[in-house]
Amino acid sequence: NAGVTQTPKFQVLKTGQSMTLQCAQDMNHEYMSWYRQDPGMGLRLIHYSVGAGITDQGEVPNGYNVSRSTTEDFPLRLLSAAPSQTSVYFCASSYDENAGYTFGSGTRLTVV
Amino acid sequence: GQQLNQSPQSMFIQEGEDVSMNCTSSSIFNTWLWYKQEPGEGPVLLIALYKAGELTSNGRLTAQFGITRKDSFLNISASIPSDVGIYFCAGSNNYGQNFVFGPGTRLSVLP
Repeated sequence: NAGVTQTPKFQVLKTGQSMTLQCAQDMNHEYMSWYRQDPGMGLRLIHYSVGAGITDQGEVPNGYNVSRSTTEDFPLRLLSAAPSQTSVYFCASSYDENAGYTFGSGTRLTVV
Repeated sequence: GQQLNQSPQSMFIQEGEDVSMNCTSSSIFNTWLWYKQEPGEGPVLLIALYKAGELTSNGRLTAQFGITRKDSFLNISASIPSDVGIYFCAGSNNYGQNFVFGPGTRLSVLP
């Protein structure tokens, strides 16, 4: 099993550009989430999904969209990148809503 | 929103020493998780706690779910260099997706 795979690992965007961060898991997990990690702030939940076709907002959803057309994939879209979105983004999945999550290795995004 | 505090923010210890860190919340939680993150990687789950007072071990790591349900503790015994990393706690007060993460405790182990 590859676990949770995130691509790309690094990305530089110009302000106003859009892009999609990819996340795929091969563990047949129903629950998937996107977090951003900023220095000294831990991880903050952006969006999450409890199954294919179902998504909901987390703590910091503004400027991001998600969709969950399949169990395996949970892409995160930045609509119009801003410098405040410079961060490390982690995708995570879990087999149960109250169980620990398996995290991907992250995408480091810089918006200039 | 909910916030977790972790203490200490960072610590430098000698190899072989024991380590204690804690996580506190102003809210009651039903679940506590402890993760470790190494540079360039995502967090890795160490221990999950589901019941007030629960004490759970994973090798040299032991974590406890505080009886007030507002705190949790992680101990590492006989530290080794590979224990270096950032340790995060995460808590949830509902049976859903909304885990809140603490800011982390950065551990450095000196040989």
